[in-house]
Amino acid sequence: GAVVSQHPSWVICKSGTSVKIECRSLDFQATTMFWYRQFPKQSLMLMATSNEGSKATYEQGVEKDKFLINHASLTLSTLTVTSAHPEDSSFYICSAYGTGYHSNQPQHFGDGTRLSIL
Amino acid sequence: SQQGEEDPQALSIQEGENATMNCSYKTSINNLQWYRQNSGRGLVHLILIRSNEREKHSGRLRVTLDTSKKSSSLLITASRAADTASYFCATPLTSGTYKYIFGTGTRLKVLA
Repeated sequence: GAVVSQHPSWVICKSGTSVKIECRSLDFQATTMFWYRQFPKQSLMLMATSNEGSKATYEQGVEKDKFLINHASLTLSTLTVTSAHPEDSSFYICSAYGTGYHSNQPQHFGDGTRLSIL
Repeated sequence: SQQGEEDPQALSIQEGENATMNCSYKTSINNLQWYRQNSGRGLVHLILIRSNEREKHSGRLRVTLDTSKKSSSLLITASRAADTASYFCATPLTSGTYKYIFGTGTRLKVLA
């Protein structure tokens, strides 16, 4: 149980294009999802908290107009990297808590999306 | 930065040996979690230890927590090649929150 699916797993695109990454909870409802960014051989950096039916909460230093987050249903959050540039190339990972979560619960992670901007 | 530190950054051992990695954190916590990440993949939850616990076991994993020193350790006994991965500790951004800060990670390589 508690499977999170992330799609696509790898995307390569030209500079200036927008890229949408999907994060789905397959067997549970996720009221809260998180988006992380990870550079090679580094830790995860929290970008934003995605809340179903409301605006995302962005961490300091993360451009909300660059990284658009939509959490329109209890099973899907999307991250759109707008007008992507080479410096946006990174590994993006989502995670989710289920409904009725409390703080002493683990997060369930997707398998990540490797984004390469040429 | 509130990010926790892990050491060592990298560890290479022979199959069958034990691997110990340490995590130090900065905030007050109600729990600490350990995750494993295989190369190019997402994170897999290994174990959660609450702030009122000092030690916890799960299979070949043993986690200790010392809240007075704000540190935790993860011991993997009788390591296997399949244990090769990066290991991260995660602590709440603030006590009771659902936002977590991940440590810098330890890259473990188990040689067959």
